[in-house]
Amino acid sequence: GIQVEQSPPDLILQEGANSTLRCNFSDSVNNLQWFHQNPWGQLINLFYIPSGTKQNGRLSATTVATERYSLLYISSSQTTDSGVYFCAGQNSNSGYALNFGKGTSLLVTP
Amino acid sequence: EAGVAQSPRYKIIEKRQSVAFWCNPISGHATLYWYQQILGQGPKLLIQFQNNGVVDDSQLPKDRFSAERLKGVDSTLKIQPAKLEDSAVYLCASSQRHTGELFFGEGSRLTVL
Repeated sequence: GIQVEQSPPDLILQEGANSTLRCNFSDSVNNLQWFHQNPWGQLINLFYIPSGTKQNGRLSATTVATERYSLLYISSSQTTDSGVYFCAGQNSNSGYALNFGKGTSLLVTP
Repeated sequence: EAGVAQSPRYKIIEKRQSVAFWCNPISGHATLYWYQQILGQGPKLLIQFQNNGVVDDSQLPKDRFSAERLKGVDSTLKIQPAKLEDSAVYLCASSQRHTGELFFGEGSRLTVL
């Protein structure tokens, strides 16, 4: 299955700052998703984005499938953005598993 | 619309005991997943069902773990006998199709002593 690498592993921001999280994958994907795991452990789907660009409020994501990476942008960060951000990828030709990266742990300070 | 339901939320057992987790996916979702998340790591897929058939169980430790999805709706994941390294959060997720958007339940936290 797809191998997923995320960077950076940890990030500390002051409230109001912007950030970019990166996800590289080992093969082409036909399914790429970003999730936020809040401090209570709940995983929330942020984007389903196998290609192209999407925006949802202060968050946006871009996947460049031909170059095997995806970026998650967080603008004007808030303390509620803290948590762990995961990306997960799948290539149906190499199995059904949607494989997760190790995540980026984000702490936004007041 | 109701989300993915899981129970129990927390379970503490001794090693070599057995435990079972239950999941009810979002109504109409054909694909159901069980993931294991060890502290500090990303979720790892244990088993994936399409309706009531298994499509991927390559990472399921079959000597101790079993799962079923009778009638293609809710699912049960069982561990017997449990080991210390099984301490983790067991996450259930569902999607409309196998390449679709995943929605997770709140998870079941297992502690094996």
